[in-house]
Amino acid sequence: DAKTTQPNSMESNEEEPVHLPCNHSTISGTDYIHWYRQLPSQGPEYVIHGLTSNVNNRMASLAIAEDRKSSTLILHRATLRDAAVYYCILRDGTGTASKLTFGTGTRLQVTL
Amino acid sequence: NAGVTQTPKFRVLKTGQSMTLLCAQDMNHEYMYWYRQDPGMGLRLIHYSVGEGTTAKGEVPDGYNVSRLKKQNFLLGLESAAPSQTSVYFCASSFTGGNQPQHFGDGTRLSIL
Repeated sequence: DAKTTQPNSMESNEEEPVHLPCNHSTISGTDYIHWYRQLPSQGPEYVIHGLTSNVNNRMASLAIAEDRKSSTLILHRATLRDAAVYYCILRDGTGTASKLTFGTGTRLQVTL
Repeated sequence: NAGVTQTPKFRVLKTGQSMTLLCAQDMNHEYMYWYRQDPGMGLRLIHYSVGEGTTAKGEVPDGYNVSRLKKQNFLLGLESAAPSQTSVYFCASSFTGGNQPQHFGDGTRLSIL
């Protein structure tokens, strides 16, 4: 499986935008970029995914580099409830079961 | 909406004891998964199922067995618990595989003494 690299931790002020980076230089043509987050004492939660084009949903935006070797998860206005570990995961879109391979993610701290 | 429900939420076992963790989903999902998460690490896949009556091994299957007798339930069994199996166990389900989002339960915290 192609690997991803994320910073161990980031900090943000509440109501400020947050840009969470992810490098995936060995991504293959059929790999989709997925983001999940895990709030304290909870299971992971799906955030967003994309292939080539930038994607938006009610939770976040995903900006994908033109060469697809990196991507950025954007939280437009961080709140205290966004404090979590964010995981960037590559999934082969042609797979059947297509397990999620979690790294250690980025721990986001949000302060007042 | 209940989503994915895991039972029990906490359990302490002695080495050599057996137990079964239950995962139930009410979303009519075909695929179900069991993961474990150790401190400071990401989740690792233990076993998964692509439909009722099917199971398959994941990344770390040793010491565990699973069964999917009903579509909505996925059971994880520990036949002879070992301290190395102390972990937080997460169940997930998805409509199908591929890019379908996985929906997770809140976990079972298992300690083996």
